[in-house]
Amino acid sequence: SQTIHQWPATLVQPVGSPLSLECTVEGTSNPNLYWYRQAAGRGLQLLFYSVGIGQISSEVPQNLSASRPQDRQFILSSKKLLLSDSGFYLCAWNLGLEAFFGQGTRLTVV
Amino acid sequence: RKEVEQDPGPFNVPEGATVAFNCTYSNSASQSFFWYRQDCRKEPKLLMSVYSSGNEDGRFTAQLNRASQYISLLIRDSKLSDSATYLCVVPGNNRKLIWGLGTSLAVNP
Repeated sequence: SQTIHQWPATLVQPVGSPLSLECTVEGTSNPNLYWYRQAAGRGLQLLFYSVGIGQISSEVPQNLSASRPQDRQFILSSKKLLLSDSGFYLCAWNLGLEAFFGQGTRLTVV
Repeated sequence: RKEVEQDPGPFNVPEGATVAFNCTYSNSASQSFFWYRQDCRKEPKLLMSVYSSGNEDGRFTAQLNRASQYISLLIRDSKLSDSATYLCVVPGNNRKLIWGLGTSLAVNP
């Protein structure tokens, strides 16, 4: 069966520090991969999605970037975090239409 | 009109009650729809898929009204454990999913 791993679960980072969140999927090949952010009390905002290695689509201009160095690995990065980057970051995958999520990373920028 | 719209609630209901949420969508060409459940501070989890007129799974029933462009989620015999936020999702273009902001449900003893 397919599983998705996302880490770390929580993270507290100072403003201006770099960020790297990693997500890996097991049990499937060539999945579509997604990074979402959910601010407190808000809906899911799609940040990036990828349909294959090295293929990244960005949904909103922001302080973040994404990379897909391997088929089942998706990385969210920032060179310098802003206070507004705080939120709940979720990685997701799908092959069909239904999406399946990792457990999320709660990022607090202080 | 927003692509996917939900009443944010909160819906406060007693245990055992029947409660229904609606979700309206703007793309009349949409063929499939999903309901996800999200517990506080957790990731969303797929609850039900709707590909035709509706779907039923135990106490949960999802129905599609194409003429009025909405889907509904009906929960019968509500349990305390049903307390969560229910998210409506409609596939968009280029493999993207369009998410509603969610409807909050609180089931009270």
